Amino acid sequence: GDSVTQMEGPVTLSEEAFLTINCTYTATGYPSLFWYVQYPGEGLQLLLKATKADDKGSNKGFEATYRKETTSFHLEKGSVQVSDSAVYFCALSENQAGTALIFGKGTTLSVSS
Amino acid sequence: KAGVTQTPRYLIKTRGQQVTLSCSPISGHRSVSWYQQTPGQGLQFLFEYFSETQRNKGNFPGRFSGRQFSNSRSEMNVSTLELGDSALYLCASSIGGQGLTDTQYFGPGTRLTVL
Repeated sequence: GDSVTQMEGPVTLSEEAFLTINCTYTATGYPSLFWYVQYPGEGLQLLLKATKADDKGSNKGFEATYRKETTSFHLEKGSVQVSDSAVYFCALSENQAGTALIFGKGTTLSVSS
Repeated sequence: KAGVTQTPRYLIKTRGQQVTLSCSPISGHRSVSWYQQTPGQGLQFLFEYFSETQRNKGNFPGRFSGRQFSNSRSEMNVSTLELGDSALYLCASSIGGQGLTDTQYFGPGTRLTVL
């Protein structure tokens, strides 16, 4: 079945460091890919998405490119801030409505000043 | 615009009991999905309802069921509770139209503890 694998955390960085969180997927079709973020004490919220190969999703300085050849959707940010400390989830959806998400296990990011 | 609301926020039950959780989607949203979040298994999809019909289903036993009402509000029910059902249950809503990769908006969750 479909699955999402993302790097284990926690990831600990200093402010202004470069961030990469790896995500790879297995799917039978052509899924849409998502990054969700869960800030401390808050609910899950969509960070960015890409619906087809070579699409780049971006938001709040974060970027991820849908790479079909490597089945990857790695999350990057050039300069992290303390406020980026959160749990990040990579997810896929095989249906057109983008529902029935399959999530990775989540990566905890901790940024210190 | 009000967000997704879930009630109750916290619940304690004992093994063998049943429980009903409620979710009110964002106004105008017709799709409601349910997810279970546990430390061991992470976030797992339970089912999705759209226009009162189950549209997608995850890999959970029949003890887990749901329904959606004409106003798009949804309930999920878990019968014969087991210790392993202790989890945060998240509800998400979206507009739900086909051919449109919607953003799903998540509620704060219901924390269920089974003793």
